[in-house]
Amino acid sequence: ETGVTQSPTHLIKTRGQQVTLRCSSQSGHNTVSWYQQALGQGPQFIFQYYREEENGRGNFPPRFSGLQFPNYSSELNVNALELDDSALYLCASSLGRDAFTDTQYFGPGTRLTVL
Amino acid sequence: DQQVKQNSPSLSVQEGRISILNCDYTNSMFDYFLWYKKYPAEGPTFLISISSIKDKNEDGRFTVFLNKSAKHLSLHIVPSQPGDSAVYFCAATRSSGGSNYKLTFGKGTLLTVNP
Repeated sequence: ETGVTQSPTHLIKTRGQQVTLRCSSQSGHNTVSWYQQALGQGPQFIFQYYREEENGRGNFPPRFSGLQFPNYSSELNVNALELDDSALYLCASSLGRDAFTDTQYFGPGTRLTVL
Repeated sequence: DQQVKQNSPSLSVQEGRISILNCDYTNSMFDYFLWYKKYPAEGPTFLISISSIKDKNEDGRFTVFLNKSAKHLSLHIVPSQPGDSAVYFCAATRSSGGSNYKLTFGKGTLLTVNP
């Protein structure tokens, strides 16, 4: 059983640009959740997808969007990057629809720096 | 508005002794609590959870205690080992809340276990 992987590991962008981060969930895991972890903070929930449909969203603006694909991969897209978007972005996969009480398996994260 | 608070940014203990990590929450709708451990350059790893119908849950060296009236939980590690040195996150959710109740994390406590 392979773990959750994310790419790229690190990324540097400038303000106003767009970025796509990728995640490969564990095979068979129907739910993927994305989190933003700013320096010195805990992870903050961005949104969750269950079988390719959005299944809940945190307090993030619409310029944060996502996709989940049938092959257990997913994307987080951020448009019009702002300096405050600089953070570690984590994805987590889980088996069931109610991901928050299921065990979530996190990837190592993508460190995004916005200049 | 921090709904999950870990007021100790760091904790240092001697190998073999007990580590006690504390967490407070403000939202009385939370009824399911989790602890995650995070090593540098890795994603968080699920450690242990507890439902509000219990006041204690044990898994090997790890025990979580829940005091609902005080809205407080604690993680006990006995005996502490150098490999336990990591950042520990407390998280809370509502088990029947579906996507309306996201997983809310505290800021984390850095535990250092000295040999």
